[in-house]
Amino acid sequence: DAKTTQPPSMDCAEGRAANLPCNHSTISGNEYVYWYRQIHSQGPQYIIHGLKNNETNEMASLIITEDRKSSTLILPHATLRDTAVYYCIVRVGLAYSGAGSYQLTFGKGTKLSVIP
Amino acid sequence: SQTIHQWPATLVQPVGSPLSLECTVEGTSNPNLYWYRQAAGRGLQLLFYSVGIGQISSEVPQNLSASRPQDRQFILSSKKLLLSDSGFYLCAWSVQNYEQYFGPGTRLTVT
Repeated sequence: DAKTTQPPSMDCAEGRAANLPCNHSTISGNEYVYWYRQIHSQGPQYIIHGLKNNETNEMASLIITEDRKSSTLILPHATLRDTAVYYCIVRVGLAYSGAGSYQLTFGKGTKLSVIP
Repeated sequence: SQTIHQWPATLVQPVGSPLSLECTVEGTSNPNLYWYRQAAGRGLQLLFYSVGIGQISSEVPQNLSASRPQDRQFILSSKKLLLSDSGFYLCAWSVQNYEQYFGPGTRLTVT
């Protein structure tokens, strides 16, 4: 299973772009990169995922390097409500996959603090 | 739209007492369902997953069990709680192998 490496913490000024890096140098060709975040005492929230191409949605952008060994999650205009722990996850397959189940392996993530 | 409910939100139980946590999903059919646990200061650990009614797979050996009596209902149980069972329990659902959506969680403290 591919592992991910993230910095333990980052600060970002309110209104500025937050760029959260993730290293996944052992990722396999058919594994996706997923990003979730967890605000204190709440369940994780799905943000975005991608395979090769850069992706953008209403929450964030995901930039994946050409060799797929690293990626960056970009929050274009960080607000105080974006303060959370951000998890970069590489999807792995479960032993039983009758309906395409998959396991998300959550590490310790990056604690992003948005500062006023 | 789909929603996921968990209850109770918080629970304090003595060692050796039984446990029952419930999770229900609305707005989707035949979801994959998952139970995770997050110990204090640690990442999420997958405990159980289910791809259909009555189908449960366990990821780690423990004194917990799970059941899926209905398509959109997932229950986490224990006959006798241990101190080490304390943590934040999260239920999640997904459609096939797409992204997972998490519930609000249950914070369990075993005393």
